[in-house]
Amino acid sequence: EIVLTQSPGTLSLSPGERATLSCRASQSVSSSYLAWYQQKPGQAPRLLIYDASSRATGIPDRFSGSGSGTDFTLTISRLEPEDFAVYYCQQYGSSPRTFGGGIKVEIK
Amino acid sequence: QVQLVESGGGLVKPGGSLRLSCAASGFSFSDYYMSWIRQAPGKGLEWVSYMSSAGTTIYYADSVKGRFTVSRDNAENSLYLQMNSLRAEDTAVYYCARAFYYIDVWGKGTTVTVSS
Repeated sequence: EIVLTQSPGTLSLSPGERATLSCRASQSVSSSYLAWYQQKPGQAPRLLIYDASSRATGIPDRFSGSGSGTDFTLTISRLEPEDFAVYYCQQYGSSPRTFGGGIKVEIK
Repeated sequence: QVQLVESGGGLVKPGGSLRLSCAASGFSFSDYYMSWIRQAPGKGLEWVSYMSSAGTTIYYADSVKGRFTVSRDNAENSLYLQMNSLRAEDTAVYYCARAFYYIDVWGKGTTVTVSS
């Protein structure tokens, strides 16, 4: 099973700042089959990024994904008030599909 | 529009059973793998089960294998999760999801609480 470790656990930033979220895999994720989700309190997660760097439908271009192998990054270029949430990575290169533990992006 | 609506959650005693349902609309349900994902209170996400479009390929997480059974009715555009021998650690919000690789459509979730 691939274990995904997300860091930092919490990111305290101000609106307008750049956010860099890390997701590290315990072994290589084949074909960069990695996704990122955003979850707000009381809501289901929402797909942001798939295949490591492809934006899902309707996702603003301030969200971008990069990486390959065992190291992946989600970047939010300029934080908007609605971006403060928890972010999860998920790999689908092998079974079982696994999620990272999440990163909370909070207002500083 | 594309929509998934879960139902069937509730409070159940340890050892009890529940059957969750998921009604799909707005897409060709029979063409897609479908999944159940859960989230314990204050915790992260866990992929519980998936089923292929024709029902021939099924996956269960080790944590639920032998206790949970996934099924689907393509004529009714519905996905089900039969949960038996429930434990306190099964307490979670259960999401129905359109997914085999990544999850592009999520339901709002239904809450299952296992407590005496």
